[in-house]
Amino acid sequence: DSGVTQTPKHLITATGQRVTLRCSPRSGDLSVYWYQQSLDQGLQFLIQYYNGEERAKGNILERFSAQQFPDLHSELNLSSLELGDSALYFCASSVAHWAGANTEAFFGQGTRLTVV
Amino acid sequence: DQQVKQNSPSLSVQEGRISILNCDYTNSMFDYFLWYKKYPAEGPTFLISISSIKDKNEDGRFTVFLNKSAKHLSLHIVPSQPGDSAVYFCAASGGGNTGKLIFGQGTTLQVKP
Repeated sequence: DSGVTQTPKHLITATGQRVTLRCSPRSGDLSVYWYQQSLDQGLQFLIQYYNGEERAKGNILERFSAQQFPDLHSELNLSSLELGDSALYFCASSVAHWAGANTEAFFGQGTRLTVV
Repeated sequence: DQQVKQNSPSLSVQEGRISILNCDYTNSMFDYFLWYKKYPAEGPTFLISISSIKDKNEDGRFTVFLNKSAKHLSLHIVPSQPGDSAVYFCAASGGGNTGKLIFGQGTTLQVKP
């Protein structure tokens, strides 16, 4: 158990809908990251928050948005869903805002989103 | 533009032998590299890492080698065990003020008893 909790584990929704994925980081971690893994692909970085503020942005679509709340949990909002948004969405957390020794990111189990 | 590449989608080795997983990168600004292991229906689990100022890091059965001039790193598992069967992801960090990681596509390792 990494200590990172993601809900829900599975989500099936129709095209055009909006969903919210939730992530609770490990206790003490201030950074939260969101990654997308499509079929047979590596993990693609979407966005990073550190202590409530956006820290880095990857190839995140404009239809997607995220935020980190004062209690440090994070939500990823996906709207106007398309079939191609079907993927595994992983949340990770780390203690620092940079990557280095003893600051490795720990991943949750992911949310599998299926858009039909 | 795939900045981190794992060119072997799969690898099969016999239990007790060495497993060597390879990873190439293109961005010379990467300064920290990690390997993650992933079992089905689970999130990636951190395995081992190496800073760009080193060329080798060892942790038990796992050793990561970094060749900066070739922009290549490899993960050695000795001896390989059936429980090591998983997908292995190589990842790189560009440093600076972010911890974002750039991942390779993964290599599926099968260790046969």
